[in-house]
Parts: sequence; C-alpha cells; structure tokens
Amino acid sequence: NAGVTQTPKFQVLKTGQSMTLQCAQDMNHNSMYWYRQDPGMGLRLIYYSASEGTTDKGEVPNGYNVSRLNKREFSLRLESAAPSQTSVYFCASSDFRTGGSNEQFFGPGTRLTVL
Amino acid sequence: RKEVEQDPGPFNVPEGATVAFNCTYSNSASQSFFWYRQDCRKEPKLLMSVYSSGNEDGRFTAQLNRASQYISLLIRDSKLSDSATYLCVVTPSGTYKYIFGTGTRLKVLA
Repeated sequence: NAGVTQTPKFQVLKTGQSMTLQCAQDMNHNSMYWYRQDPGMGLRLIYYSASEGTTDKGEVPNGYNVSRLNKREFSLRLESAAPSQTSVYFCASSDFRTGGSNEQFFGPGTRLTVL
Repeated sequence: RKEVEQDPGPFNVPEGATVAFNCTYSNSASQSFFWYRQDCRKEPKLLMSVYSSGNEDGRFTAQLNRASQYISLLIRDSKLSDSATYLCVVTPSGTYKYIFGTGTRLKVLA
C-alpha cells in the first residue's frame, strides 16, 4: 500500500498562474483533508471532505477550491496564485468515525513557491 | 485563545534525559487526542493516540486530563533520534476536523 500520495513534490509558480495539487489514498478512508504549513503557524486546515460527495471549508479556504473526485482522490486548486500562498501543502486522510481510532495519515507534501 | 496550545520550545536535553511536554485544549467536548511527530520538512506521523486511562508505548507515555483540559507526553531515556517537533492534535466533538498545536521542538544533545 502506498498510503497517501501527492503530486507534485515541488512547484514554482508566478503570481496569477493556476495549478492543481493532486492527492490520492489507497486505504479506503472516508475523510480527506488539505492543510498548509507555514513557519511558526502549525498546520492550518484549508478544506476537507468528510465523505465522498461532500466538501467543507476549513480555517483558511480563501484562494483555493477543492474537488473530491471519488473516494480515493481529493484535489486542491489555486486559481490565481499569490505570494501569500507560498507554503508546504499536506494532504491527509482518515477513517473518521465515532469511537474509532481516527488516526490521520499524511502525504509527503508539496512545496509551493509563488514568485 | 488558541484551540490547542503548546510551548514551542526548543527543549534541549542531553541523551538519556527524561522530558515532558504539555498541551492544553479549549474545547471541553473534544473527543480524540493524539501526539504526532514531525521531522524537519517531512509529513507528520502518528506517535501515539491518547486515551482517558493513559497509555504507554516503550519509552513514551501519554496522559489525558479532561478536568484540566490538557494532554501530556513523557519521553524517557531520550535518544538523539527523538529530536523532532511534537504536535498535539485534538478532534472537537461533532466535527470531522483535527486541530493541531503549533508543535514543541525537541533537540536531544550528545
């Protein structure tokens, strides 16, 4: 099992360009998440999908859109990149259920620089 | 007040020392608690879940105090390889969200 995979690993964009970050998990998890991590800020939730067919905003959704393509895949799109979106982006998944272990598994991250 | 608060450190300790971290959370209805470990520029990985009765995994012991709304992590006989950032994570009841602390940095010195 690959767990959670993300592509690309690194990306440099110019201001105003668009791109999509891809995430896939092979653990049959219901819930998937996108975070960004900036120095000194910890992980901040951008969007999440509690189950296939649903998406919800997290703490910092502005400037981003998401698509839960199917149970395995959850993509994050930057429509018009800004320097403030320079960050490390992590995708995560979990089998979130009451009484369950609810452990989150993370992908290796995408390091994005916007010039 | 932040939902989950941790002392950022760094905690610099010699090999073999015992070190403890605390983490406080503001939502009394939180349901699940975790400690994750994150190495520099890598993804967070689960260290251990924290249960009401407390739990131990080798040199690591986690405790939950619901009355005072904090969780703790104790590391005994510290190794150089324990150097990392330790993230406290809480899931508020009724949501699918995970709330992360900003992390406590540990450096174990030879």
